Amino acid sequence: EAQVTQNPRYLITVTGKKLTVTCSQNMNHEYMSWYRQDPGLGLRQIYYSMNVEVTDKGDVPEGYKVSRKEKRNFPLILESPSPNQTSLYFCASGAPNSPLHFGNGTRLTVT
Amino acid sequence: GEDVEQSLFLSVREGDSSVINCTYTDSSSTYLYWYKQEPGAGLQLLTYIFSNMDMKQDQRLTVLLNKKDKHLSLRIADTQTGDSAIYFCAERGDTGRRALTFGSGTRLQVQP
Repeated sequence: EAQVTQNPRYLITVTGKKLTVTCSQNMNHEYMSWYRQDPGLGLRQIYYSMNVEVTDKGDVPEGYKVSRKEKRNFPLILESPSPNQTSLYFCASGAPNSPLHFGNGTRLTVT
Repeated sequence: GEDVEQSLFLSVREGDSSVINCTYTDSSSTYLYWYKQEPGAGLQLLTYIFSNMDMKQDQRLTVLLNKKDKHLSLRIADTQTGDSAIYFCAERGDTGRRALTFGSGTRLQVQP
């Protein structure tokens, strides 16, 4: 089954403790992206990747890092999480000129 | 920058038609999408339309695009209680980063 898989689904952590949210897709898509969803703001793009070893900033990249060492994986890294990064995070992937496929989301709470 | 706006809430009775409206500002939009989000779930792509189309129909869903007014609508015929969810309009501009600009979502409540 074609899918985008994120882990974990839920995460509660404390300020400053580094964390990684994983994202994996099995559709051989070159393009992958991370979004965060906040009430009243819709979804906003954090980072994206056009291919292996090619990543770039989206609209709200501050406080986040990504890596793309292999085509199927695109982890989101928070080196020093802060409470304003409490949000619902979505990973997405897509083929050229096709709609994006989204994962089921990761709800992160930073206390 | 680009902006996408939707009304926040819509309530309809089961069996009626629902129409969810969306306006956008990016005149270079290439694709426009409708996503559905049920409680605790991810984003499910419902349908999408290319910017050179006026209408697209897919079973109970009809998408209308007025490019001149930058207005997009989603009509759900014979709305069911299972259609209760948040519906997001999104547009994709003509940029290399393929970012989608999302509206803040319309919560559809279907009353039995």
